[in-house]
Amino acid sequence: DTEVTQTPKHLVMGMTNKKSLKCEQHMGHRAMYWYKQKAKKPPELMFVYSYEKLSINESVPSRFSPECPNSSLLNLHLHALQPEDSALYLCASSQDGSEAFFGQGTRLTVV
Amino acid sequence: GQNIDQPTEMTATEGAIVQINCTYQTSGFNGLFWYQQHAGEAPTFLSYNVLDGLEEKGRFSSFLSRSKGYSYLLLKELQMKDSASYLCAVREWTGGSYIPTFGRGTSLIVHP
Repeated sequence: DTEVTQTPKHLVMGMTNKKSLKCEQHMGHRAMYWYKQKAKKPPELMFVYSYEKLSINESVPSRFSPECPNSSLLNLHLHALQPEDSALYLCASSQDGSEAFFGQGTRLTVV
Repeated sequence: GQNIDQPTEMTATEGAIVQINCTYQTSGFNGLFWYQQHAGEAPTFLSYNVLDGLEEKGRFSSFLSRSKGYSYLLLKELQMKDSASYLCAVREWTGGSYIPTFGRGTSLIVHP
């Protein structure tokens, strides 16, 4: 199994809603990442978890809250988002020294 | 921090060869990756270089020179389906984690 699975694939939410993005991998990877990607731009790193601990937070606003319940799961909790937060949210995982595997992403639209 | 530069757009003809360059400046180099990304889809891994030299994988090859901060991705026998964005990503070891940071991507258009 070399897959990273993200749900949902598409999400439309209002600015007062609370929602969560989910990411799952069963490759035994100990590093997991959240990236945000706007159209025609490269993925921008948001958070890194290493061995289930948050190791990197790239100055992301607190309306984005990551959570790593166990070594296979990574969540991104969303609250009070702005329309400019609309983007493709990508989850990735990697093992030390290996390439990062990406999920298919969640296309988020904030209205 | 990192500074990664690659051309914004390239065009090529089906069946031809194209070389996409990437230059970088980084304080803690720990590998360079190339990814392919079709519009609206996730990036997919193409190649990985950590030592100097050429890595070949079918129609795709990638080259690295660490002293020059330079890499290229070579695509041979181009096919229409190769039209995509090609992302150069440099990995650093920082904060106890391996962190891949992406360049802006090169949009490759393959025409008949």
